[in-house]
Amino acid sequence: DAKTTQPNSMESNEEEPVHLPCNHSTISGTDYIHWYRQLPSQGPEYVIHGLTSNVNNRMASLAIAEDRKSSTLILHRATLRDAAVYYCILRMIRGSEKLVFGKGTKLTVNP
Amino acid sequence: NAGVTQTPKFRVLKTGQSMTLLCAQDMNHEYMYWYRQDPGMGLRLIHYSVGEGTTAKGEVPDGYNVSRLKKQNFLLGLESAAPSQTSVYFCASTVVRDYYEQYFGPGTRLTVT
Repeated sequence: DAKTTQPNSMESNEEEPVHLPCNHSTISGTDYIHWYRQLPSQGPEYVIHGLTSNVNNRMASLAIAEDRKSSTLILHRATLRDAAVYYCILRMIRGSEKLVFGKGTKLTVNP
Repeated sequence: NAGVTQTPKFRVLKTGQSMTLLCAQDMNHEYMYWYRQDPGMGLRLIHYSVGEGTTAKGEVPDGYNVSRLKKQNFLLGLESAAPSQTSVYFCASTVVRDYYEQYFGPGTRLTVT
């Protein structure tokens, strides 16, 4: 499984946008980019995923670099409830359905 | 729908004891997974199942066994618990045809003394 690199931690202020980066320089053409987050004392939850084009949903936006070697998860207006560990994960199309979690980025949101 | 549920929520075992963790999902998902999460770490896959009656090893399968006798249930067994198995265990499931996300349970916190 291809590897991702994320900062260990980031801080943001409430109601400000947050950009969470992820590097995946060894990504292959058949890898989807998935983001999950884990709130304190809970199981991970799906946030968003993409392949080549930028994606938006009600939770966040995913911006994917043209060469696909990096991506950015964008929370448009951070709330205290967005404080969590965010994981960037690569998953092969039609390959293993397994997710390989790294340590993720711990996001702190200040009031 | 209850989603993914896990039983029990907490358990303390002595070294050498055995136990079974139960994962149940009511979404008719084909794939189910067991992960463990140690403090400050991401999740690591223990075993997974792609359908009723089938199981496969993940990244850290040693010391664990699993069974998937019914589609909705995935059991994780520890035959002889060791302190190194102290962890939080998460179960997850997904539907293959429209695979976008895994749905996770709330976790089981296991301490082995």
